[in-house]
Amino acid sequence: AQSVTQLGSHVSVSEGALVLLRCNYSSSVPPYLFWYVQYPNQGLQLLLKYTTGATLVKGINGFEAEFKKSETSFHLTKPSAHMSDAAEYFCAVTKGGGSYIPTFGRGTSLIVHP
Amino acid sequence: SQTIHQWPATLVQPVGSPLSLECTVEGTSNPNLYWYRQAAGRGLQLLFYSVGIGQISSEVPQNLSASRPQDRQFILSSKKLLLSDSGFYLCALIPTNTEAFFGQGTRLTVV
Repeated sequence: AQSVTQLGSHVSVSEGALVLLRCNYSSSVPPYLFWYVQYPNQGLQLLLKYTTGATLVKGINGFEAEFKKSETSFHLTKPSAHMSDAAEYFCAVTKGGGSYIPTFGRGTSLIVHP
Repeated sequence: SQTIHQWPATLVQPVGSPLSLECTVEGTSNPNLYWYRQAAGRGLQLLFYSVGIGQISSEVPQNLSASRPQDRQFILSSKKLLLSDSGFYLCALIPTNTEAFFGQGTRLTVV
């Protein structure tokens, strides 16, 4: 079975500060990992994904995440927060190689203060 | 490219009334389609998924049902809504081994 844990239901940062949203996963096989962003009353949009290859992946809006197998983590970072980054962020995992039903974390609400 | 249409965007329904939410997909054929419900602070709950016409898998027992009458149409229904059915409903298209594509969602309030 696979699972995802997002540490912290809310993260608050000041504009211009580093953003760090944590995601740990468990999977019995090599995982595919995703980060999604959700703005109020909208669907989820893909920020970035890791499938194979380079463990540091870059996404839209200046976000990036690093797959660390030894730590079973896939934390999302952005060097400098912008007010427009305020949203809900979801980490998700699927099993590579044919299983297409993702498991989502509970989400982390990012609050950006001016 | 594939797009997902969901309607309505918002819906207020009385307890005991029926429900029908529709999701249609463009730009792909034989899609894997999903219905999720999102409650505040509780993440995404998978309700149903379908890999083809007439094929429905239910993930949780509940007051809802789903149907797939056409290849690119996925419908979420209820005969009698409960207060606990309130939430944000999302339709998603998830191709094999790649990311999910979501519709814009329906905010359902049962009063």
